[in-house]
Amino acid sequence: GQNIDQPTEMTATEGAIVQINCTYQTSGFNGLFWYQQHAGEAPTFLSYNVLDGLEEKGRFSSFLSRSKGYSYLLLKELQMKDSASYLCAVPENAGNNRKLIWGLGTSLAVNP
Amino acid sequence: ETGVTQSPTHLIKTRGQQVTLRCSSQSGHNTVSWYQQALGQGPQFIFQYYREEENGRGNFPPRFSGLQFPNYSSELNVNALELDDSALYLCASSLGPNSPLHFGNGTRLTVT
Repeated sequence: GQNIDQPTEMTATEGAIVQINCTYQTSGFNGLFWYQQHAGEAPTFLSYNVLDGLEEKGRFSSFLSRSKGYSYLLLKELQMKDSASYLCAVPENAGNNRKLIWGLGTSLAVNP
Repeated sequence: ETGVTQSPTHLIKTRGQQVTLRCSSQSGHNTVSWYQQALGQGPQFIFQYYREEENGRGNFPPRFSGLQFPNYSSELNVNALELDDSALYLCASSLGPNSPLHFGNGTRLTVT
């Protein structure tokens, strides 16, 4: 079956760097998504990793290791507005992105 | 570019009633996915429509049904509402079944 694990909560300081980890188990693999969700709002797309390695996109970077079933989202120069839930998701089946399996999300609190 | 829009934003229904939620996809997107998100949980896949045909379904009973129209907008219908159906219902559109999802702001449904 499929399973995704993320830490439930994290706290960091404004201006710092934080790494949010995600481990997954799937019957096949077809990429891993990261989404950001502010309280009461819809998730917004952050990144999609298919190949191993680090992909940088401004202050946010995402890393994938397929052999380890592991990904992380790296947030640099944290701002107060980065306080949100960060959701890791993988497609249920290889070659088929119809159904995403989601982690419960990591609630990040950025303090001044 | 118009994003994904959902209506209504909030809705209160009584157990046993029926509800229809609506979604307009982002311009150029031909695929719509519906998710149910309970408080503190990740989104749960309900179903996906691609070019007016159902293209995958999650573990939801038949009283959850949907439609996609020629302009790629979509409806989610829920019959015989139960208290546990109270949740945030998210619509997401994408360029295709294998593309990142872009979410609407959701419809908050409360069943009393």
